[in-house]
Amino acid sequence: AQSVTQPDIHITVSEGASLELRCNYSYGATPYLFWYVQSPGQGLQLLLKYFSGDTLVQGIKGFEAEFKRSQSSFNLRKPSVHWSDAAEYFCAVSSPEDYKLSFGAGTTVTVRA
Amino acid sequence: GAGVSQSPRYKVAKRGQDVALRCDPISGHVSLFWYQQALGQGPEFLTYFQNEAQLDKSGLPSDRFFAERPEGSVSTLKIQRTQQEDSAVYLCATATGEGGYEQYFGPGTRLTVT
Repeated sequence: AQSVTQPDIHITVSEGASLELRCNYSYGATPYLFWYVQSPGQGLQLLLKYFSGDTLVQGIKGFEAEFKRSQSSFNLRKPSVHWSDAAEYFCAVSSPEDYKLSFGAGTTVTVRA
Repeated sequence: GAGVSQSPRYKVAKRGQDVALRCDPISGHVSLFWYQQALGQGPEFLTYFQNEAQLDKSGLPSDRFFAERPEGSVSTLKIQRTQQEDSAVYLCATATGEGGYEQYFGPGTRLTVT
């Protein structure tokens, strides 16, 4: 069975500073990896995805993520955070054999002025 | 519509009541998923439809939970004899094609059982 670990429950970052959110997955073969963002009262919005190919993927809102097979990681980064980036972020995994998404517990990001 | 819509957005039910939650998918999306998100947790898979066929219901927590998609479009998640532990946000997601690897989520229905 596939699973996802997000080690950081809560991160506080200053506006304009860089942000990195960690994600580790457990899956035997090649995973499909996703990052979603959820603002209060909103549904989940897809930031970016990795299926195959280039291990550095670009997403919306200036986010990027890097797939590192050797570390079973798919960390999310943004060079300069805006106040509107305050939200909860979820890493998720699926696969060609198992279409359903398995989510991590999420990381809450707070942006201070 | 432009995105996945769900209704109602909020539902309060007394313990023991039956509830029905509706999902309107993006037009043409073949795959439809239901997830349950407890407070402070990530969403957890409940069930998956490909058109009108329910291909996976392994995540449904009990036989009180039932989902249908009779015409391959709108889906309804029904919970019978609600319990307090059913309180959660219920999310619907849809995707083009079989398998549904890129899923688009609705805003969810927040169910509170008192």
